Amino acid sequence: TQLLEQSPQFLSIQEGENLTVYCNSSSVFSSLQWYRQEPGEGPVLLVTVVTGGEVKKLKRLTFQFGDARKDSSLHITAAQPGDTGLYLCAGASYNFNKFYFGSGTKLNVKP
Amino acid sequence: EAQVTQNPRYLITVTGKKLTVTCSQNMNHEYMSWYRQDPGLGLRQIYYSMNVEVTDKGDVPEGYKVSRKEKRNFPLILESPSPNQTSLYFCASSRGQGPYEQYFGPGTRLTVT
Repeated sequence: TQLLEQSPQFLSIQEGENLTVYCNSSSVFSSLQWYRQEPGEGPVLLVTVVTGGEVKKLKRLTFQFGDARKDSSLHITAAQPGDTGLYLCAGASYNFNKFYFGSGTKLNVKP
Repeated sequence: EAQVTQNPRYLITVTGKKLTVTCSQNMNHEYMSWYRQDPGLGLRQIYYSMNVEVTDKGDVPEGYKVSRKEKRNFPLILESPSPNQTSLYFCASSRGQGPYEQYFGPGTRLTVT
């Protein structure tokens, strides 16, 4: 079983729509990171959230860390075809030694 | 250019034939880690290293070995590969222990027949 449950697994939407990806756990994490991965490449960091309740914005992307530091969400406003990719959340252990990844959300934005 | 390199990028081998996947970073990072990525399972951590000569197990270390003799290199060794180790492997590095960005290599696709 995954320590971090990510949903939905797949998302296919039209350009301009909004979407939210969820990352949930019963465990507390020291930080929560969101990565994006393109086919044939390694994941690339989008954001790191550390404080419970923290909200970070990156252009059309909004990231939130739950108050109890057990869950996180990624919201994309007005999705574009360039947002297409695999989105992964990753939680860090209390001492930042170990990292636990969600199973990923494969997003396809159609023009 | 700051990067993490892995070699080989693709490898097909047979059960039981020892192999090594190399990983090197040029950012003077202290922390390095190996992950495997399987469909529907995301990335799972195999081993990590906090610094030279300091390594520890991740979530799925069985069947793997690592070493960290130099700061820049962190090879992954499969002494007797088995078909269930067929996977996509990623090496990553970060500046140290903390909420820091992990920089990932391009991946090594391994098939064990």
